[in-house]
Amino acid sequence: GALVYQYPRRTICKSGTSMRMECQAVGFQATSVAWYRQSPQKTFELIALSTVNSAIKYEQNFTQEKFPISHPNLSFSSMTVLNAYLEDRGLYLCGASGTGGTEVFFGKGTRLTVV
Amino acid sequence: LAKTTQPPSMEAYEGQEVNVSCSHTNIATSEYIYWYRQVPHQGPQFIIQGYKDYVVNEVASLFISADRKLSTLSLPWVSLRDAAVYYCIVTDNSNYQLIWGSGTKLIIKP
Repeated sequence: GALVYQYPRRTICKSGTSMRMECQAVGFQATSVAWYRQSPQKTFELIALSTVNSAIKYEQNFTQEKFPISHPNLSFSSMTVLNAYLEDRGLYLCGASGTGGTEVFFGKGTRLTVV
Repeated sequence: LAKTTQPPSMEAYEGQEVNVSCSHTNIATSEYIYWYRQVPHQGPQFIIQGYKDYVVNEVASLFISADRKLSTLSLPWVSLRDAAVYYCIVTDNSNYQLIWGSGTKLIIKP
């Protein structure tokens, strides 16, 4: 079956440093990968959507300068949180889908703590 | 606005089967239904997802009405560890938006 793995599951970084998180698709070709951050209201805010061979589309309030994303192939994507501060704490989720369907498969998330 | 509507809370005794309903009257043809649960201070835990009919895994089963406007998550033999807020979400890869409603708080009585 189709699965999405995220790692690390939990991470701690010092304020002002950067943290890279990864998302791997297994059992399908991830042509599109979406990255989310869970807000205090529990909703997952969409950070950006990456589609292979297309430009990465960032949502309002999120920038490439802060959250650079790499999506080099159909099974892997990574996102870095640059210069992390307290407001960047939270759970980051990735969701991926392939061609031929509309289903999205989600990872279990990476929980970022900034100290 | 949330795309889904759930009862705010439910109570059950340990060992009972629990059915949590979710209404998604405006679900699009392309959208799938996802169920998650979350306990305080922890990330959401995926339970099950489906598109139509009946889906079952080792944790739960999901029944989706023929018109897909209603889904019911069934948890067999609940224990105290199943106490959490249960969320149903609908989405697809057209916009990837994950809009969570208020969820259903499941209270388990010993």
